[in-house]
Amino acid sequence: DAGVTQSPTHLIKTRGQQVTLRCSPISGHKSVSWYQQVLGQGPQFIFQYYEKEERGRGNFPDRFSARQFPNYSSELNVNALLLGDSALYLCASSSGTSGGAAGETQYFGPGTRLLVL
Amino acid sequence: EDKVVQSPLSLVVHEGDTVTLNCSYEVTNFRSLLWYKQEKKAPTFLFMLTSSGIEKKSGRLSSILDKKELSSILNITATQTGDSAIYLCAVGTHTGNQFYFGTGTSLTVIP
Repeated sequence: DAGVTQSPTHLIKTRGQQVTLRCSPISGHKSVSWYQQVLGQGPQFIFQYYEKEERGRGNFPDRFSARQFPNYSSELNVNALLLGDSALYLCASSSGTSGGAAGETQYFGPGTRLLVL
Repeated sequence: EDKVVQSPLSLVVHEGDTVTLNCSYEVTNFRSLLWYKQEKKAPTFLFMLTSSGIEKKSGRLSSILDKKELSSILNITATQTGDSAIYLCAVGTHTGNQFYFGTGTSLTVIP
């Protein structure tokens, strides 16, 4: 079985542009969470979706948005990019409703490395 | 404000040494504490600790949760070069479906 997949692997954008990152969860997993990991820091929670509904939102500006599709894949959109948005964006999937917090294991994808110039 | 603090930030040891990594937390409505190993990109799951399972062991790795002290330790015995990685601690709460991660401990094992 394939693990969590993310695309693209790397991305270079300039300030003010918009970016869309994609994630496909493990087959059978209905929950997808997005994290931002700035170099030297731990991942920071952005969103969690379950069954196409937003179930959790971290402390990120409205420039960040996400959605989940009927096949449980997900997209993260970031508008009006800033230099500070440069980071590794991680997607994680789990089988339960709470994004792993309740006890089901959360599996991470390889991430998308975004560089904003 | 919920927060997770890991120490030390980095550690360099020789093969065969035993290491102890620390994680302390201040969160509202604690639910679970997880340890991950991050080598290049994707963090890989090691352990989950909850009120009903405060001690876990897998091979040379073991972890204990101290709910009174609001902390956890991750022990690695007989370290190998393949243990070199960043070890992340994450805490889940009952309020909100998210994990709070620490900044990680960077472990380097020298042959």
